[in-house]
Amino acid sequence: EVQLVESGGGLVKPGGSLRLSCAASGFSFSSYTMNWVRQVPGKGLEWVSSLSPTSSYIYYADSVKGRFTISRDNAKNSLYLQMSSLRAEDTAVYYCATETTEGWYFESWGQGTLVTVSS
Amino acid sequence: EIMLTQSPGTLSLSPGERATLSCRASQSLSSGYLAWYQQKPGQAPRLLIYGASSRATGIPDRFSGSGSGTDFTLTISRLEPEDFAVYYCQQYVGSPTFGPGTKVDIK
Repeated sequence: EVQLVESGGGLVKPGGSLRLSCAASGFSFSSYTMNWVRQVPGKGLEWVSSLSPTSSYIYYADSVKGRFTISRDNAKNSLYLQMSSLRAEDTAVYYCATETTEGWYFESWGQGTLVTVSS
Repeated sequence: EIMLTQSPGTLSLSPGERATLSCRASQSLSSGYLAWYQQKPGQAPRLLIYGASSRATGIPDRFSGSGSGTDFTLTISRLEPEDFAVYYCQQYVGSPTFGPGTKVDIK
């Protein structure tokens, strides 16, 4: 069974930094492109970033480009999101999700971790 | 960026009724690169449909997707109590974008 478990969320001040982690199990993590998707509580979904299996291809949404860095450690079956220069509008639940080999849609999701940016 | 709009915003129906949800794209989605997700309160989204009309693993056949070009539909043939949720469409022609969602609630 695929399991994705996010951690690292919390309260951070504007301008601060935070590192999210996603621990994967139940599938061949090193074979999958992984993504971060976020959701403002009570609102819609926004794709944030994508990382290919060997980290050759990295993509970011314009809203986070230059501030967020996605990375992975295939030996640890883990995905990361380093977030810096955080803004109030980055407040959201952050999900990690597997991308399918058939297209840029999301087959398995974690339960999410809440990031709150507030002074 | 490809924008998606969904209608209606809220659909109030009774169990056993048919639900028809619409998703419209700002430009044509080649090869039907559209997915649908279901999300219940406090839960992550769940993939229902990909490629506009293919059901994901384990999805009941009361869920069906159709459409092409810019207009797509998710149909739930007979609503079960567990189907009352928010439904999102997502395009994957370019960088993924999601629609704003349709809430299906109990009438």
